[in-house]
Amino acid sequence: AQKITQTQPGMFVQEKEAVTLDCTYDTSDPSYGLFWYKQPSSGEMIFLIYQGSYDQQNATEGRYSLNFQKARKSANLVISASQLGDSAMYFCAMREVTGGGNKLTFGTGTQLKVEL
Amino acid sequence: DADVTQTPRNRITKTGKRIMLECSQTKGHDRMYWYRQDPGLGLRLIYYSFDVKDINKGEISDGYSVSRQAQAKFSLSLESAIPNQTALYFCATSDWGRTEAFFGQGTRLTVV
Repeated sequence: AQKITQTQPGMFVQEKEAVTLDCTYDTSDPSYGLFWYKQPSSGEMIFLIYQGSYDQQNATEGRYSLNFQKARKSANLVISASQLGDSAMYFCAMREVTGGGNKLTFGTGTQLKVEL
Repeated sequence: DADVTQTPRNRITKTGKRIMLECSQTKGHDRMYWYRQDPGLGLRLIYYSFDVKDINKGEISDGYSVSRQAQAKFSLSLESAIPNQTALYFCATSDWGRTEAFFGQGTRLTVV
């Protein structure tokens, strides 16, 4: 069975600093995908970044990068140059490839607060 | 207009009532999902459907049922609502071969 673990319920970071949000996962499927979503206080789910299990390089999307360490089964999100608008809940998720679908399993989330 | 639309956005209902949450999408995706979000628990999968004739239970399907009326429509029903079904509900869609899932705006359901 899949499992996603986010061990940081809450994090604080100062504006313009970088922050790392931790995510570890457990799966026996050799083919999987890892995702990060942002949920601001308004409630919508915003896709940030994706990493495939066979991707050789770490994914990057603007200020977001995914530190993928396959042997350690970790997929940490790094946000560079934090902004006040980055304050939100962040969810790590894993896609189950079986059946070719996109059934996502989510972690419990990390609440990030960016301070002046 | 949103690609994935959920109605209603907010609903308060009484214990024992039947309620339906509706989801429609304009993305042309085959796959649709219903998730439930509770504080501290993340999002948990209730049901998912890979096409009109395919319905699958997720990890927390008890007390819920779904209907895939068309490729673009996927409804979630609570046959007899109970207070611990109070939560934020999300519909999501994805395409075969695509990576991310696209979410609706969510439905905040309160059962009193």
